[in-house]
Amino acid sequence: NAGVMQNPRHLVRRRGQEARLRCSPMKGHSHVYWYRQLPEEGLKFMVYLQKENIIDESGMPKERFSAEFPKEGPSILRIQQVVRGDSAAYFCASSPPGGGGYTFGSGTRLTVV
Amino acid sequence: AQSVSQHNHHVILSEAASLELGCNYSYGGTVNLFWYVQYPGQHLQLLLKYFSGDPLVKGIKGFEAEFIKSKFSFNLRKPSVQWSDTAEYFCAVNLDRGSTLGRLYFGRGTQLTVWP
Repeated sequence: NAGVMQNPRHLVRRRGQEARLRCSPMKGHSHVYWYRQLPEEGLKFMVYLQKENIIDESGMPKERFSAEFPKEGPSILRIQQVVRGDSAAYFCASSPPGGGGYTFGSGTRLTVV
Repeated sequence: AQSVSQHNHHVILSEAASLELGCNYSYGGTVNLFWYVQYPGQHLQLLLKYFSGDPLVKGIKGFEAEFIKSKFSFNLRKPSVQWSDTAEYFCAVNLDRGSTLGRLYFGRGTQLTVWP
């Protein structure tokens, strides 16, 4: 029973490029959460999705960031026109319907050069 | 706004010393509480969680935490730390709205360094 799978583990982008981060939740989990971790800081919530629905995007920057969780396939966090300040570790977590806890992926470390 | 405070940013201990990491939250309603550990370069691993019942919760690796509702606290403890406990520890809170779904609010984290 694979855990939460995130890829790529490391991603390097030049300023102005697009970054796409993928998250496949645990089998049986239909809820996905994205968090961003900056150096010396805790995890900051970005967005909470269920299949084909965005439930809470209160932590998403208003511009350049978007997220989706299609009926088929992984959840995608998309960052357009990346800037140096987007460099961070992005973690995905999933939970089953009805709760019970969260399982975190290994993260994607984005470096913008 | 809801917030989670971890007052100790960096704790340094010798092996076999006792550990207590503080965590306070600000929310007047029902909460679910979590402690996670993050080893360097790795993902968060759940140490323990509290949903309801006995406020003294035992987790993995010999850790335990006590929920004190009147103090809005959920402090993490371990009687005797080991070098392998060196990691960053995060307290997190989920607002209980009848389920454990929804976002987590994280504290800033406490870096624990244990000297052999």
